Amino acid sequence: KNEVEQSPQNLTAQEGEFITINCSYSVGISALHWLQQHPGGGIVSLFMLSSGKKKHGRLIATINIQEKHSSLHITASHPRDSAVYICAARYNTDKLIFGTGTRLQVFP
Amino acid sequence: EPEVTQTPSHQVTQMGQEVILRCVPISNHLYFYWYRQILGQKVEFLVSFYNNEISEKSEIFDDQFSVERPDGSNFTLKIRSTKLEDSAMYFCASSGDGTAVGPQHFGDGTRLSIL
Repeated sequence: KNEVEQSPQNLTAQEGEFITINCSYSVGISALHWLQQHPGGGIVSLFMLSSGKKKHGRLIATINIQEKHSSLHITASHPRDSAVYICAARYNTDKLIFGTGTRLQVFP
Repeated sequence: EPEVTQTPSHQVTQMGQEVILRCVPISNHLYFYWYRQILGQKVEFLVSFYNNEISEKSEIFDDQFSVERPDGSNFTLKIRSTKLEDSAMYFCASSGDGTAVGPQHFGDGTRLSIL
């Protein structure tokens, strides 16, 4: 069954800390998405990747196809990074299969 | 930057009533989706739409649900006779500018409350 597992479920950090959120998936994905969901509910797409690594500002996403694992890193975390971070996989169709999300709180 | 817009932001409806959720996808996108998120749960796929027809639908998307792209800009989700369990946040998304499916861009969602 095509599933997406995320860890941890909840994460608290002090401002400035390096954050890592993990995602594992089943074999055969065509792309892995990282998304951010704000407290109001809106979803923002952060990255789509199928291999290697992508960077945008303080956010870095990596994927290891052999290990079926992806990570989202946040460097120099800030309270405004507080949100739910979700990984979602695209398998052999266009639909996304979502993980349960990681709730991140960064304290000043 | 172009964005997906959804209206209304919050809809309150009596059980058994019909409801239509509206979305305006990004203008040059070709693939359209509806997802829902029940409070406290993960986001679930409902339906995808391409070339004026449903390309895939989930088990949730039963005969009470329908989608339409009536005028080339709007993309609507209709629930014919709402149930209490339809209460959720509904997200519209679009992708694909013709060169690739690409990342999905989401609207801010419509919070549907069934009384």
